[in-house]
Amino acid sequence: EIVLTQSPGTLSLSPGERATLSCRASQSVSSSYLAWYQQRPGQAPRLLIYGASSRATGIPDRFSGSGSGTDFTLTISRLEPEDFAVYYCQQYGGSPPVSFGPGTKVDFK
Amino acid sequence: EVQLVESGGGLVQPGRSLRLSCAASGFNFDDYAMHWVRQAPGKGLEWVSGISWNSGRIGYADSVKGRFTIYRDNAKKSLYLQMNSLRAEDMALYYCAKDRVFELWYIFDYWGQGTLVTVSS
Repeated sequence: EIVLTQSPGTLSLSPGERATLSCRASQSVSSSYLAWYQQRPGQAPRLLIYGASSRATGIPDRFSGSGSGTDFTLTISRLEPEDFAVYYCQQYGGSPPVSFGPGTKVDFK
Repeated sequence: EVQLVESGGGLVQPGRSLRLSCAASGFNFDDYAMHWVRQAPGKGLEWVSGISWNSGRIGYADSVKGRFTIYRDNAKKSLYLQMNSLRAEDMALYYCAKDRVFELWYIFDYWGQGTLVTVSS
């Protein structure tokens, strides 16, 4: 079973700063089948990144994903006020077929 | 514009049943796999079940296998989740989510706003 851990649990930053979020898998994620989602308070999740580094439709280019194997990173180059949210990583194609990490909250410093 | 609207949630006693529905619009519903994903209050995301475009492939999380049934009606552009033998741990906000492709690829590119299921006596 692939278990995802995310770090840090909370990231306190200011608008304009760079955010680096980590997702680590207990086993290698095949073909970089890893996605990232953003969830703002009171809203549904939104797909940001899939295939470890492909941006979803309509996602600004300040969001980027990287990594392979067991270590993946979501980078937000310059935080906008609307980026303060919880971010989840998710693996797909493994066993179980899909699992989510516990999330990283990006909040205001 | 893609829209997914869930309904059918509510308060139910442990052991009872509930059926959730998801009405889709803004895309060719029968071209895509669909899923249910849930989120317990204050907790993270948990995939519940998924169904391919033609219902040929269906999957369930171990936590609901044997109790929940997913199905779809492409003519009505609707997705359903029949939930039986509900437990306290099933209490959550249930999201309907669209897959990026027709088979079960588990990339959820559009989500509804969710319907809340409360299990309590």
